[in-house]
Amino acid sequence: GDSVTQMEGPVTLSEEAFLTINCTYTATGYPSLFWYVQYPGEGLQLLLKATKADDKGSNKGFEATYRKETTSFHLEKGSVQVSDSAVYFCALRGSARQLTFGSGTQLTVLP
Amino acid sequence: DVKVTQSSRYLVKRTGEKVFLECVQDMDHENMFWYRQDPGLGLRLIYFSYDVKMKEKGDIPEGYSVSREKKERFSLILESASTNQTSMYLCASSNPGLAGREQYFGPGTRLTVT
Repeated sequence: GDSVTQMEGPVTLSEEAFLTINCTYTATGYPSLFWYVQYPGEGLQLLLKATKADDKGSNKGFEATYRKETTSFHLEKGSVQVSDSAVYFCALRGSARQLTFGSGTQLTVLP
Repeated sequence: DVKVTQSSRYLVKRTGEKVFLECVQDMDHENMFWYRQDPGLGLRLIYFSYDVKMKEKGDIPEGYSVSREKKERFSLILESASTNQTSMYLCASSNPGLAGREQYFGPGTRLTVT
């Protein structure tokens, strides 16, 4: 079945540092890939998505590129802020209606 | 904006009680989902529904049931709550169609079973 493997946390960075959160997947066919973010005390929000190979999703300074050859969708941001502190989830949607999620990565950004 | 609301943010119940978690969405979405979120395990799908009165089991349906009598409302039922059902429960909705369609999440209900 489909699966998502996500970099384990927690990750602690200083403000303005570069962020990478690794995500790799296993799926048949051509899944769509997503990054969701969960701020403290809230539900999940879509951060960005990509629906086909070589697509780049971007939002709020975050980027991720759909790499079919390495089955990866790594999340990056050039300069993180304290307000980026949250839990980040990588997810895929294959042929089924539902999403398959990674285990989540807790990010803490220190001033 | 799409809004998904859940009936309670925090809930404390005793072992053996019957528990109802309610979810309502206001965007006429066809698909609705219930997940539980546990540290280190991410989100795991309990049940989902793609139409009124329709339901399908997700990855971890044991100990749960669901009800969808109206399109906008999807209820999760714990027939006899147990301590291993202490968790964060998240409801989501989406429309079918394009693979890139996102799911919209409610704020979650943190359930503690004592």
